[in-house]
Parts: sequence; structure tokens; C-alpha cells
Amino acid sequence: NAGVTQTPKFRVLKTGQSMTLLCAQDMNHEYMYWYRQDPGMGLRLIHYSVGEGTTAKGEVPDGYNVSRLKKQNFLLGLESAAPSQTSVYFCASTQSGSFYGYTFGSGTRLTVV
Amino acid sequence: GDSVTQMEGPVTLSEEAFLTINCTYTATGYPSLFWYVQYPGEGLQLLLKATKADDKGSNKGFEATYRKETTSFHLEKGSVQVSDSAVYFCAPRGANFGNEKLTFGTGTRLTIIP
Repeated sequence: NAGVTQTPKFRVLKTGQSMTLLCAQDMNHEYMYWYRQDPGMGLRLIHYSVGEGTTAKGEVPDGYNVSRLKKQNFLLGLESAAPSQTSVYFCASTQSGSFYGYTFGSGTRLTVV
Repeated sequence: GDSVTQMEGPVTLSEEAFLTINCTYTATGYPSLFWYVQYPGEGLQLLLKATKADDKGSNKGFEATYRKETTSFHLEKGSVQVSDSAVYFCAPRGANFGNEKLTFGTGTRLTIIP
């Protein structure tokens, strides 16, 4: 049982380049999320999805786009990377209902130079 | 919206010491409450949870009790080990519409010295 899988685990980009981070879950969860984690800032929500074909903005959505074409996958795109997007990115998923916790991936460490 | 206030870190303790990490929350409705742990270089893992008032969640020697009257969910462990060194996050999840977003605090970094 893989849970939540993120690819790639590490990436270095040059300013202005684009890339896509992939999150895949095999638990049939409805909800999926992208967070970024920066030192001293905790976890900040970028975008999330409450079902296939739906997406919504979190607290720090600028510079990112997402897509949820299949229930099990949630893609995070950076169209033109900036050094301020250097961070560790985490994907998470859960079921609807407040008594369910989140399952997190192991993270993608992105450096933009 | 939901919010959480966690004990400021970092916290440094000696092995076998007693641990308390304070957490208070505000949430609409009747939330479930969670503690997550993040070990170095890893993602967050669910540590324990409680879904109703006076429930006690427990796991790996850690405990936390859902206190509705004080809106608190403090994390405790009687005797910490070096392997408990990690960052701990408290998070309420609201029961009403909008519960799809889990609210995380900034986390409390715990270091246990031998």
C-alpha cells in the first residue's frame, strides 16, 4: 500500500523554467492538497481539490497552477519558476468527514537558482 | 475560519523528561483534533487524534485529551527518548462545510538530548 507518492523528490530549476510536480494516491481519497513548507513558516496551503475535475486556491496560490484530471492524481505546475518558490512541497490526501486525518507524501525539495 | 495556537519552540529536553506541548484552537462547529509529527527529512505523519470532547488520543507513548471547555489539545509524554526529536503540529479539522481544509500551526520543534 503506497499511500501518497510524490515525484520527483529533488529538483533544481533555473529562474524562468517550468516544471510539474506529480502527486499520486492509491487510497481512493476525495480530497487532495499541495502545501509548501519554509523554515519558520509552517505549512502553507497552495491549492486543493475536493474531487476529480475541481480545484480551489489556498492561501499562497500565486505562481502555481494545478489540475485534477483523475481522482488519484493531483498535479502542481510552476509556469515560470522564481527563487521565492524554493521550498519543500508536500502533497496530502484525505476523505471527506472531519474525523479523518491527512496522509502526506514524503515531499519534493525544489531549488530555484 | 479555523485557527490554532501552538507552543513556541524550539523545545529542548533531556532524555526521560516529561513533555508537554500546548495547543489551543478555534474552530466552527465540533472539530476533530489531530497531532502530526514530522521527523527530519520526512513528510508529516498522523500521531494521534480525538474526535469528541473528553476523548483521549494515544500513540507511541504520547497522549492528548480533547478539552472542549478550554478549546485545548495538549500533547504529553511521560518519558521522552532521543528518537522523539521531531517537529510536532497540532491541527483541528472543522465539522461544518469548509472542513476540507486542515489548519496547521507553525509546529513545535522538539530536541531530546541524551
